[in-house]
Amino acid sequence: DIVLTQSPDTLSLSPGERATLSCRASQTVSSSYLAWYQQKPGQAPRLLIYSASSRAAGIPDRFSGSGSGTDFTLTITRLEPEDFAVYYCQQFGNSPWTFGRGTKVEIK
Amino acid sequence: QPHLVQSGAEVKKPGASMKVSCKASGYMFTSDGISWVRQAPGQGLEWMGWISVYNGYTNYAQKFQGRVTMTADTSTNTAYMELRSLRSDDTATYYCTRYGVDYFSRWFDPWGQGTQVTVSS
Repeated sequence: DIVLTQSPDTLSLSPGERATLSCRASQTVSSSYLAWYQQKPGQAPRLLIYSASSRAAGIPDRFSGSGSGTDFTLTITRLEPEDFAVYYCQQFGNSPWTFGRGTKVEIK
Repeated sequence: QPHLVQSGAEVKKPGASMKVSCKASGYMFTSDGISWVRQAPGQGLEWMGWISVYNGYTNYAQKFQGRVTMTADTSTNTAYMELRSLRSDDTATYYCTRYGVDYFSRWFDPWGQGTQVTVSS
């Protein structure tokens, strides 16, 4: 199984700051098959980024994804109050499709 | 807009079965798959498997092989996930999500609101 390791576990930042979240895969994942989701307490996950760098419909341009091979990054350029949440990366490259354990972005 | 609505919360006893439904609207149901993901309390997301609504093909995570069945009824645009021989560690919120494919891209979007299942004696 492909293991996705997200770091850090928790990111404590203030509104307006930049957030950089990492997702490292235990083996190469095609960029086409790497997605990022946001989940707020009590809510279902929401697709942010697919194919490593393509924003989903309606996602603000302060969210961006990058990376290839085994290293992927989600960047939030200027944190808004509504961005404090848990973020998961996920791969479709090999079955079972797996998720990272998540990075919580909390208000400092 | 694509939209998924799931059935309500359930409480089950160990050894029983559960069956969650997921009604789709706002898109051509047969054009994409439906995947199921669960989340234990306070934990991360766990992929369970997916079904091609078009031809009924299924791919289950090995962890659930033999205990899970995913089906889809194209006459009602509803997908189902049945999990049998329930244990306490099956207590979780279960989500359905549309599995989209476009050339070389894959994604889960949208997601249902989740169905909370509690397994307790």
